[in-house]
Amino acid sequence: DAGVIQSPRHEVTEMGQEVTLRCKPISGHDYLFWYRQTMMRGLELLIYFNNNVPIDDSGMPEDRFSAKMPNASFSTLKIQPSEPRDSAVYFCASSTNSDYTFGSGTRLTVV
Amino acid sequence: AQSVTQPDIHITVSEGASLELRCNYSYGATPYLFWYVQSPGQGLQLLLKYFSGDTLVQGIKGFEAEFKRSQSSFNLRKPSVHWSDAAEYFCAVGARAAGNKLTFGGGTRVLVKP
Repeated sequence: DAGVIQSPRHEVTEMGQEVTLRCKPISGHDYLFWYRQTMMRGLELLIYFNNNVPIDDSGMPEDRFSAKMPNASFSTLKIQPSEPRDSAVYFCASSTNSDYTFGSGTRLTVV
Repeated sequence: AQSVTQPDIHITVSEGASLELRCNYSYGATPYLFWYVQSPGQGLQLLLKYFSGDTLVQGIKGFEAEFKRSQSSFNLRKPSVHWSDAAEYFCAVGARAAGNKLTFGGGTRVLVKP
């Protein structure tokens, strides 16, 4: 398996633009997580899915953020409109039981 | 709710010396416990994990960690540090009963002196 695949690796966008981050989890994993990493707040969980169903989105910072998982092999995290304070590294991870795998992350810069 | 505390923000150690990174967690039942390492600009690499069985866990790169239920701790150790161990280390706690989500500590940055 190629692991958890995230795209793009880097994204630079202007304030106000829509940004879509993508994630392909490991086949057979029933959980998918989106994390955000910043210097100020560390690694924080934004939202997670179980069997493609959103379970807890309490970490999503505001309505500008949305996430979907239309099937077991794909998830998106969308920010609309983006703001400079959204600049961070966004990690996707998938798991089953105690087996967790993280993607390489998307480094987002909003200017 | 589960939580993780890494009391040391920075640790400086000489190459060849031993290293111990502290991790304390809060969770009602027996959790899954993890240590990850992150080099600058890189992703998270799993060093080791504990979810049951032997409380002393061996990981990659010569690291080990010991789960102590009575102290709610899962400290990471390495007998002899190499310059390449300079990185940030994260302890994390998860549990199937808590939706399998991982909660991370704030991280400990390790600097290695020649």
